[in-house]
Amino acid sequence: NAGVTQTPKFRVLKTGQSMTLLCAQDMNHEYMYWYRQDPGMGLRLIHYSVGEGTTAKGEVPDGYNVSRLKKQNFLLGLESAAPSQTSVYFCASNRGARGETQYFGPGTRLLVL
Amino acid sequence: KQEVTQIPAALSVPEGENLVLNCSFTDSAIYNLQWFRQDPGKGLTSLLLIQSSQREQTSGRLNASLDKSSGRSTLYIAASQPGDSATYLCAVDMTSGTYKYIFGTGTRLKVLA
Repeated sequence: NAGVTQTPKFRVLKTGQSMTLLCAQDMNHEYMYWYRQDPGMGLRLIHYSVGEGTTAKGEVPDGYNVSRLKKQNFLLGLESAAPSQTSVYFCASNRGARGETQYFGPGTRLLVL
Repeated sequence: KQEVTQIPAALSVPEGENLVLNCSFTDSAIYNLQWFRQDPGKGLTSLLLIQSSQREQTSGRLNASLDKSSGRSTLYIAASQPGDSATYLCAVDMTSGTYKYIFGTGTRLKVLA
């Protein structure tokens, strides 16, 4: 099993450009999450999904959109990138049963100039 | 609003020392608490998960305790090794609302050989 994979690993964008981050998991997990990690602020939840075709807002959803068309994939989109979106983005997944750990991807480092 | 704090932000110890990492949270209505390890440039790996009804969990040289009433958890690392050098994060899952974690900002640990 590859676990949770993220594409790309690193990206540089100019302000106003758009991009999509891809998260894939091969563990047949129902729940998937997108976090951002910034220095001194810990991980903050952007959006999450409790199953194929569902999405919900987390703590910091503004400026991001998500889609879960297939159970194994969770896409995070930035329509018009801003320097404040410079961060490391992590995807995670789990089966969704209460009390279960989350499995994390290796992260995507995004720099917006 | 739940706030999760980890002190100290960074810690440097000689190899072999026993050490304690602290995690505090403001709202005791938690479902569980989890400790994660993050290596530089990598995603998070779950170390221990403590249910709200439990007092502690152990895995090898790691022991995590939970005192819900006082809003505290500690991660005890016995006989520290250079390979333990990493950032350690705690996260709480709230009783109310959809299952999702609130993370602390982490403690960056360096074990000197």
